[in-house]
Amino acid sequence: KAGVTQTPRYLIKTRGQQVTLSCSPISGHRSVSWYQQTPGQGLQFLFEYFSETQRNKGNFPGRFSGRQFSNSRSEMNVSTLELGDSALYLCASSLGSGGANEQFFGPGTRLTVL
Amino acid sequence: QQQVKQSPQSLIVQKGGISIINCAYENTAFDYFPWYQQFPGKGPALLIAIRPDVSEKKEGRFTISFNKSAKQFSLHIMDSQPGDSATYFCAAHRGGTASKLTFGTGTRLQVTL
Repeated sequence: KAGVTQTPRYLIKTRGQQVTLSCSPISGHRSVSWYQQTPGQGLQFLFEYFSETQRNKGNFPGRFSGRQFSNSRSEMNVSTLELGDSALYLCASSLGSGGANEQFFGPGTRLTVL
Repeated sequence: QQQVKQSPQSLIVQKGGISIINCAYENTAFDYFPWYQQFPGKGPALLIAIRPDVSEKKEGRFTISFNKSAKQFSLHIMDSQPGDSATYFCAAHRGGTASKLTFGTGTRLQVTL
């Protein structure tokens, strides 16, 4: 069974630009969660989508948004990029909604904002 | 109240030794406590998890000890091996309508020969 895939793996953008990251969950998984990982901060929860609906959202500004398609694939968008948005963005898929279901993480997208 | 505090930030253990990573939480609504292991260039992977009605769970060389009254839990890696060198994250789950995992800041473990 293929794991969670994320594209692109690396991305370099400049301040003010916007970026879209993509996540394909494990086949059959309907939940996709997004996390931001930075040194010293660990993993910060961004949001979770289940069956195309946002179920929960973390404490991030409105510049961070996401969506999920009918095939469970998910995209995350960050508008008006800031230097502090440089991070590893991870997505995780699970069978059911909620963090108590085992989450399977992708390798992440490394975003660098210059 | 949503924080999970993890220590130490980094840890060096000799091969065959015991690695111990500690986490503490405040929110008594947390109902599930997983540990994740992350190797460089990879996403975290679930290692072992425990629910608060159990004080200890063991899977191979990995053991979670859970102290509900102290609101603390820890990961013990027995007979640590160089292949265990990775970053370890504890996490806590709160259910309900705001269900999500809250992660600790991570511990970088290095097991030396």
